[in-house]
Amino acid sequence: GEDVEQSLFLSVREGDSSVINCTYTDSSSTYLYWYKQEPGAGLQLLTYIFSNMDMKQDQRLTVLLNKKDKHLSLRIADTQTGDSAIYFCAENRGAGSYQLTFGKGTKLSVIP
Amino acid sequence: DVKVTQSSRYLVKRTGEKVFLECVQDMDHENMFWYRQDPGLGLRLIYFSYDVKMKEKGDIPEGYSVSREKKERFSLILESASTNQTSMYLCASTPPRGEGQETQYFGPGTRLLVL
Repeated sequence: GEDVEQSLFLSVREGDSSVINCTYTDSSSTYLYWYKQEPGAGLQLLTYIFSNMDMKQDQRLTVLLNKKDKHLSLRIADTQTGDSAIYFCAENRGAGSYQLTFGKGTKLSVIP
Repeated sequence: DVKVTQSSRYLVKRTGEKVFLECVQDMDHENMFWYRQDPGLGLRLIYFSYDVKMKEKGDIPEGYSVSREKKERFSLILESASTNQTSMYLCASTPPRGEGQETQYFGPGTRLLVL
């Protein structure tokens, strides 16, 4: 079945770049997403990438997609303490599907 | 801005009680979802709905039911709450097809404690 894997923890120093990695298994996914969850809150959509793209940049965020290896990454440039949160990778379950499969989340800790 | 609201942020119930969790979205979204989030397990889909009065089981529907009588409201029901249903419950909705890249918008979550 579908599975999305990501490491559980990442710690970086303020001002450095953070890279959060994700692997997925469903080759029929058409969209891949990154969501951010701050403590006690719901999930906030950060960015998404269409499966026929290999890169998307949005201010400090860069998403890289390697479809051959089914690998997705999120790079946060100049990481700030406000970036401390849990980041979820997700894929939709095939073209036209609104169902998403989420990874377990990577907790990013930013050290001042 | 899309707004998804959930009726309670925190809820404490006793084992065996019937529990209703309400979710409302104000953007005329067709699709709505209920997840639970547990440490180390991530988000797991309980139920979803594509339209009024329609419902589909997700990955872990056991012990839950849902109701969608109006387009804007999707309720999650725990018929007889048990301690293993203590969790964070998240509701989400998506815009109509072709308008939102199948993106889900989430509510703030309801943290349920069953004693």
